[in-house]
Amino acid sequence: QVQLVESGGGVVQPGGSLRLSCAASGFTFGTSGMHWVRQAAGSGLEWVAFERYDGGSDYYADSVKGRFTISRDTSRRMLYLQMNSLRAEDTAVYYCAKDLGYGGNPIPFDYWGQGALVTVSS
Amino acid sequence: QSVLTQPPSVSGAPGQRITISCTGSSSNIGAGYDVHWYQQVPGTAPKLLIYSNTYRPSGVPDRFSGSKSGTSASLAISGLQAEDEGDYYCQSYDNSLTTLYVFGPGTKVTVL
Repeated sequence: QVQLVESGGGVVQPGGSLRLSCAASGFTFGTSGMHWVRQAAGSGLEWVAFERYDGGSDYYADSVKGRFTISRDTSRRMLYLQMNSLRAEDTAVYYCAKDLGYGGNPIPFDYWGQGALVTVSS
Repeated sequence: QSVLTQPPSVSGAPGQRITISCTGSSSNIGAGYDVHWYQQVPGTAPKLLIYSNTYRPSGVPDRFSGSKSGTSASLAISGLQAEDEGDYYCQSYDNSLTTLYVFGPGTKVTVL
């Protein structure tokens, strides 16, 4: 079955960096678009970043553009989110999510990981 | 502030039918972009409930149904069950924004 397992969350000081990882299994990772979505405590969902199935195109929310980088290692079936210049407002649970591959415009997310908590605090 | 509007909360007794609205505008739902719905039970990850306005992924009970008309979409839950308690989010795209996806603020469903 499809599994997405995030890791790498933790506490970091403002201005610091952190890299999240997402281990994927149970589906053809190399043909799936992948996303990062975050959720601050008590708040709703915010889309953060997307990488096309072949790593050829990346897209970012304005709130993280220039600070976060999404990438993948297809041979290891891993998705990453490098987060630099972190701010207090980046504090959230970060989910990796798999693109369904079809199903409308925009394409929905059919599987989500359990999330990794990132806390930015001094 | 999201470009999609949802009621903060909806409640119903077991067995009842409830609906959750997702209201947009001419730059998102009204422009023909599809609406997807996610269910998030407290403490867990979101789960795809309805995609492309009306389609249910495999494994989602047919108690859940979606519709779309004009600048709005709706999620209906019939035969409400205790396990349906949680937060429900609509998702779409807005061509006036630079983001790839927009989510509604979420609706908390309470089973009385």
